[in-house]
Amino acid sequence: SQQGEEDPQALSIQEGENATMNCSYKTSINNLQWYRQNSGRGLVHLILIRSNEREKHSGRLRVTLDTSKKSSSLLITASRAADTASYFCGLFPQGGSEKLVFGKGTKLTVNP
Amino acid sequence: KAGVTQTPRYLIKTRGQQVTLSCSPISGHRSVSWYQQTPGQGLQFLFEYFSETQRNKGNFPGRFSGRQFSNSRSEMNVSTLELGDSALYLCASSYDKYNEQFFGPGTRLTVL
Repeated sequence: SQQGEEDPQALSIQEGENATMNCSYKTSINNLQWYRQNSGRGLVHLILIRSNEREKHSGRLRVTLDTSKKSSSLLITASRAADTASYFCGLFPQGGSEKLVFGKGTKLTVNP
Repeated sequence: KAGVTQTPRYLIKTRGQQVTLSCSPISGHRSVSWYQQTPGQGLQFLFEYFSETQRNKGNFPGRFSGRQFSNSRSEMNVSTLELGDSALYLCASSYDKYNEQFFGPGTRLTVL
């Protein structure tokens, strides 16, 4: 399978805590992207990390990529109730079909 | 810049009917991708169009088709609707493949 697998499937934390979500995959990638989806709405792009990059930051978000372990993690620091959403990793496999493939997502709940 | 727009937002059809969904990408984006999202299967890639040509296709039956116009607007069509076609259909535009995708709000299709 070319798609990523997010872990955990669901995560519940308190406001102010950090949230970490992981994505594992099996194929070589061109890049990996993280998206957020609020209930029943479109996805919002968060961060794109290329296969030759190891870490990227955007505000309270930090994404790491370990191509040797074929895994990525998304860290949200000092989480807020507004961060409650589903988070998906999408990856562009290297070679083969050039389509963005998504995992099943991690459902994050931040309790006020 | 205006975001990706999708019309209609909600649609109710009966089995056997056909439906056409529309997507207007962000100005300047020539790549438009379509995804089907269901609770059971998650986000699945349908197809991608670039400069009016279908560049990539997912594993969906021929009842699912699409096209892209010279102004980059795209439509997807589903013929002979089945109950299992009930889903959120998401359109995303990007400058080119491998880039970040900008998603529309989706069209919620219910097949009765």
